[in-house]
Amino acid sequence: LAKTTQPISMDSYEGQEVNITCSHNNIATNDYITWYQQFPSQGPRFIIQGYKTKVTNEVASLFIPADRKSSTLSLPRVSLSDTAVYYCLVGYGGATNKLIFGTGTLLAVQP
Amino acid sequence: NAGVTQTPKFQVLKTGQSMTLQCAQDMNHEYMSWYRQDPGMGLRLIHYSVGAGITDQGEVPNGYNVSRSTTEDFPLRLLSAAPSQTSVYFCASTRGVGYEQYFGPGTRLTVT
Repeated sequence: LAKTTQPISMDSYEGQEVNITCSHNNIATNDYITWYQQFPSQGPRFIIQGYKTKVTNEVASLFIPADRKSSTLSLPRVSLSDTAVYYCLVGYGGATNKLIFGTGTLLAVQP
Repeated sequence: NAGVTQTPKFQVLKTGQSMTLQCAQDMNHEYMSWYRQDPGMGLRLIHYSVGAGITDQGEVPNGYNVSRSTTEDFPLRLLSAAPSQTSVYFCASTRGVGYEQYFGPGTRLTVT
């Protein structure tokens, strides 16, 4: 099973762009890369998912290089409400839906 | 559309007691999963199901049982609670592989 490595914590200020990088050296051909956000006392919430190159939605962008051994979640112009734990997941594209969560990155946004 | 619901929100058990954590979803998702979350360890997969009548073990299945008699419900049973099972438990559902998972609000369980 592919494991992920991400920084334990990051600090930022309101209005800045934040990039959180995740490494997944043994990613398999069928694996997707997914990012979730979790606030205290809540379940994780889906942010974005990709397979290769770049994916963008209304809240974030996901950059995946050609070798797919890492990925970067980009949050444009963060606000205080973006303070949360962010999880990078690498999951099977096969018959099961086993997703392995890492320990996550605590993003602290300051005024 | 309630999404994924879990009951109870909080529970305190004594060692050796049994209980069932309830999980239900109203999105007609085939896939459902149970995770536990412990400080500094992220979420770990306990059991999952790819459809009614089909379940399989995840990363940390010992001490837990599951069954899936309907598409909507996926209960998690603790047959003999142990202090090591003190954790926050999350249920999730998704319509299939490669699609986003929807998580419930969690159940905080304390075993004394």
